[in-house]
Amino acid sequence: ETGVTQTPRHLVMGMTNKKSLKCEQHLGHNAMYWYKQSAKKPLELMFVYSLEERVENNSVPSRFSPECPNSSHLFLHLHTLQPEDSALYLCASSQGLAQYEQFFGPGTRLTVL
Amino acid sequence: QQQVKQSPQSLIVQKGGISIINCAYENTAFDYFPWYQQFPGKGPALLIAIRPDVSEKKEGRFTISFNKSAKQFSLHIMDSQPGDSATYFCAASGSGGSNYKLTFGKGTLLTVNP
Repeated sequence: ETGVTQTPRHLVMGMTNKKSLKCEQHLGHNAMYWYKQSAKKPLELMFVYSLEERVENNSVPSRFSPECPNSSHLFLHLHTLQPEDSALYLCASSQGLAQYEQFFGPGTRLTVL
Repeated sequence: QQQVKQSPQSLIVQKGGISIINCAYENTAFDYFPWYQQFPGKGPALLIAIRPDVSEKKEGRFTISFNKSAKQFSLHIMDSQPGDSATYFCAASGSGGSNYKLTFGKGTLLTVNP
């Protein structure tokens, strides 16, 4: 595997389910990000981790819970989601925080029924 | 203060033509302006980036023009090809405080007809 990988690629869940999204970066980067991408809206930054410490929580509802067990892995735990949470969730990594190129994974297409 | 406004929302160009996408920003602390390209089913990928110490940067058929006084920057794709059909996002960030975060435009869906 190279670059940034995300699993699953597609996920359909009910509002009462609990699921997790997984991201893995094979680039030796120190920073990892979760973004939400919705149609006709800018990419929304959700969380930022630097050296496994959360440095940003962009007013994200508590039904989204991130976890960064090491510098290569990032999870997004989902519970009690709403239909408006349906979107493409993108993971990215970068060598550092400020003005480094961000490398994105292919995303997880989430549908909440 | 954190917005980046991008236009047009969609663009159709004939093969060989010039594609132009414009962005404007408000935060004067921004000093890094990347463009990302996204194909269907893929995540965005960095295409080209510029810093405000230059007014233009060219990489192959892709050129960024930057106007610091107007707080505007644009992407020009020369000799557009069908393979350039994708969504393009401009972005901006600074280097201090919370400005390190990339602020993205809404994206432009480019279609290049053969």
